[in-house]
Amino acid sequence: DVVMTQSPLSLPVTLGQPASISCRSSQSLVYSDGNSYLNWFQQRPGQSPRRLVYRVSNRDSGVPDRFSGSGSGTDFTLKISRVEAEDVGVYYCMQGTHWPYTFGQGTKLDIK
Amino acid sequence: EVRLVESGGGLVQPGGSLRLSCAASGFTFSDEWMAWVRQAPGKGLEWVAYIKQDESAQNYVDSVRGRFSISRDNGKNSLYLQMNSLRVEDTAVYYCVRDVRGPRDWGQGTMVTVSS
Repeated sequence: DVVMTQSPLSLPVTLGQPASISCRSSQSLVYSDGNSYLNWFQQRPGQSPRRLVYRVSNRDSGVPDRFSGSGSGTDFTLKISRVEAEDVGVYYCMQGTHWPYTFGQGTKLDIK
Repeated sequence: EVRLVESGGGLVQPGGSLRLSCAASGFTFSDEWMAWVRQAPGKGLEWVAYIKQDESAQNYVDSVRGRFSISRDNGKNSLYLQMNSLRVEDTAVYYCVRDVRGPRDWGQGTMVTVSS
């Protein structure tokens, strides 16, 4: 199975400051169609996960533009340009290229 | 508005069975790959199974293969997960999701507790 390794696992951030989460995969996530199926999800306390970014860098509708995804191959990053209080929660990367699809362990973001 | 509403969770003894359902609305259900993802209490997310639009392809994570069965009824806009031979480690919230390579929509989840 493809192992998704996130860092850090805990991310205390001051309001208004930037934040960055790294996600590394144990294999390339490039699929035969040329796409890399690397997604980012946010799970706020007590809620279902919500997709923020799909195929590495495509932001979902309604997701604030302070969120951005980047990367290629096996190395990916989610960046938040200025953290707001509503960003508190756990962030997961997920690969949808190789079955079984797998998630990272999750990064818990909270406010310092 | 897309809605995915799961039901059928509950408390069951080890070795027992449950059937989860997911009622979908707000999109053309028959056009979409669908799947189940679970989350054990206080833990991360784990894929369980997916199914193609016409049921011609399904796949399972190794830990549930042979015990769980995913199915759908496009006429009823519904997704199902038949869970047999349940184990304590199957205890989790089970989410119905739309679009498997990067689930864009999630239900609220239904809790399955396997305990004696």
